[in-house]
Amino acid sequence: AQTVTQSQPEMSVQEAETVTLSCTYDTSESDYYLFWYKQPPSRQMILVIRQEAYKQQNATENRFSVNFQKAAKSFSLKISDSQLGDAAMYFCASPDLTQGGSEKLVFGKGTKLTVNP
Amino acid sequence: DTAVSQTPKYLVTQMGNDKSIKCEQNLGHDTMYWYKQDSKKFLKIMFSYNNKELIINETVPNRFSPKSPDKAHLNLHINSLELGDSAVYFCASSQGLGRPNSYEQYFGPGTRLTVT
Repeated sequence: AQTVTQSQPEMSVQEAETVTLSCTYDTSESDYYLFWYKQPPSRQMILVIRQEAYKQQNATENRFSVNFQKAAKSFSLKISDSQLGDAAMYFCASPDLTQGGSEKLVFGKGTKLTVNP
Repeated sequence: DTAVSQTPKYLVTQMGNDKSIKCEQNLGHDTMYWYKQDSKKFLKIMFSYNNKELIINETVPNRFSPKSPDKAHLNLHINSLELGDSAVYFCASSQGLGRPNSYEQYFGPGTRLTVT
């Protein structure tokens, strides 16, 4: 079965510093997207950033960027200039094609990020 | 405009009752999903519909029955509620099978179900 591993259950960072959240995945798809979602205390799941696997260039969205290592199946999220509002659970997600041909996302168990003032 | 909406946001009920959660998306997406997030924040897919057709049915008790009256709506009905059903239930949608970036999902605000 497809697995997504986030090895850091909790992380903390000082405001204005940089933090990296790690993720490894195990998809068998050849062409795919990878995603990071953020879940603040409001519990809304918010798409933070996506990476297209066939693109060698790492995706960037303002202060959020990824380090995508396709061969290693690694997809880490870097948050620069951390802000208090970045405090949240962060979930990595990878695609999985079911036996019936249906597409679904598999989520990691999440990393709880605390931002210290 | 809210892209994916769910009602209600909070639901408190007693064991044995039957309840429904409604979901609507205005993104023009073909595929909709139900997820369950347990107390440890683990997010697991329950069902998926593509254009009103059930395409994913994970190992979920028969007490859970999804219904999609049209591709913009996906409801979840739960019979004979049990304590273990307490969780946050998320609805999500995506463009649809075979579309570019078909895996990218947009989530509703979640429904916190508490069974007492």
